[in-house]
Amino acid sequence: DAKTTQPPSMDCAEGRAANLPCNHSTISGNEYVYWYRQIHSQGPQYIIHGLKNNETNEMASLIITEDRKSSTLILPHATLRDTAVYYCIVRVANTGNQFYFGTGTSLTVIP
Amino acid sequence: GAVVSQHPSRVICKSGTSVKIECRSLDFQATTMFWYRQFPKQSLMLMATSNEGSKATYEQGVEKDKFLINHASLTLSTLTVTSAHPEDSSFYICSASLGPSDYGYTFGSGTRLTVV
Repeated sequence: DAKTTQPPSMDCAEGRAANLPCNHSTISGNEYVYWYRQIHSQGPQYIIHGLKNNETNEMASLIITEDRKSSTLILPHATLRDTAVYYCIVRVANTGNQFYFGTGTSLTVIP
Repeated sequence: GAVVSQHPSRVICKSGTSVKIECRSLDFQATTMFWYRQFPKQSLMLMATSNEGSKATYEQGVEKDKFLINHASLTLSTLTVTSAHPEDSSFYICSASLGPSDYGYTFGSGTRLTVV
């Protein structure tokens, strides 16, 4: 699976949009981009995933560049409960394929 | 939504004893489950892939005789840490596939193991 690069930490003001970047310049054509987050001492929580089109759900939006070499997770109105470590993972979508976690971005939402 | 239940959430055991951690898929069948370990301030490290009815596949560097995995049914996988030592103290997390191949996996809430 392709390697991802994320900034180690970010801050965001409560109520503002949080934009978390991820670089995956070696992504291959059949690899999806997944985002998970982990709140302290809990299991990771699925946020969103996509292949090449932008995606939106009730939690977030995922913007994937046209060349697919990078993506941005957008939390439109960050709350204190969004403070967590956010992981960007690229993976071939295959039942039984593992998720390998990188170091992620520690997002702190500031009151 | 799909839920993976992990038990116990916390366990303290003495050095040399064995500890069993259970991972159950509550409302779906999981032919494949995954076990991760996470040390403080570090990312999740995949330990092994657990396949229902067959032997688990371990990642390089993970001792299969120390971390016994059993996946006897479509809703239950267990991880047994045998002859635990303080260096095995960690946060252990399981996950399972939700279904179609491109879906994300759902994760359990984790088990905090402390070996004293």
